[in-house]
Amino acid sequence: AQSVAQPEDQVNVAEGNPLTVKCTYSVSGNPYLFWYVQYPNRGLQFLLKYITGDNLVKGSYGFEAEFNKSQTSFHLKKPSALVSDSALYFCAVRAGSGGSYIPTFGRGTSLIVHP
Amino acid sequence: GAGVSQSPSNKVTEKGKDVELRCDPISGHTALYWYRQSLGQGLEFLIYFQGNSAPDKSGLPSDRFSAERTGGSVSTLTIQRTQQEDSAVYLCASSLGRAGANVLTFGAGSRLTVL
Repeated sequence: AQSVAQPEDQVNVAEGNPLTVKCTYSVSGNPYLFWYVQYPNRGLQFLLKYITGDNLVKGSYGFEAEFNKSQTSFHLKKPSALVSDSALYFCAVRAGSGGSYIPTFGRGTSLIVHP
Repeated sequence: GAGVSQSPSNKVTEKGKDVELRCDPISGHTALYWYRQSLGQGLEFLIYFQGNSAPDKSGLPSDRFSAERTGGSVSTLTIQRTQQEDSAVYLCASSLGRAGANVLTFGAGSRLTVL
């Protein structure tokens, strides 16, 4: 079975400071990994994904994520946080091949960026 | 359409009543997913449709829940004899298909409140 853990329910950061939202996963075989963001009263929006290749993936709004196979992690990062980044962030995983085509999502991490 | 459309956006019902939630996916997307988002629970997978294949119903929590997809397009999620624990936001998503690491496009959700 595949699973995702987001160990922090909430992350607080000051505007202009770097941010990290943590994600670890468990899946058979090679993973496909995703980050989605949910702004208040809106649906989830895709941020970025890792399939293969470079471990550092760049996505929308200046976000990036680093795939670490040995630590089974895919942490979301941004060098300088904005107040407008405040939202709920979800990590998701699915098996790369031969497994379920259904992504499993984590519980979500609420990011709060303080002015 | 331009995005995934869900209706109603909000539904308040009394315990024991049946409800129907509708999802209109992006035209041409063969895969359709239903998830449930409860406070503090993240996204819980419910059911997955892919083309003309039999749906994956492994996430449906009880036999009170059912879903259909007509003509490979619009989907309806039905909850019979609603219970208070069914209160949640029901999210529909669609994607191009299961090949590759397809990104899910989510609707804004249907918020169900069972009194």
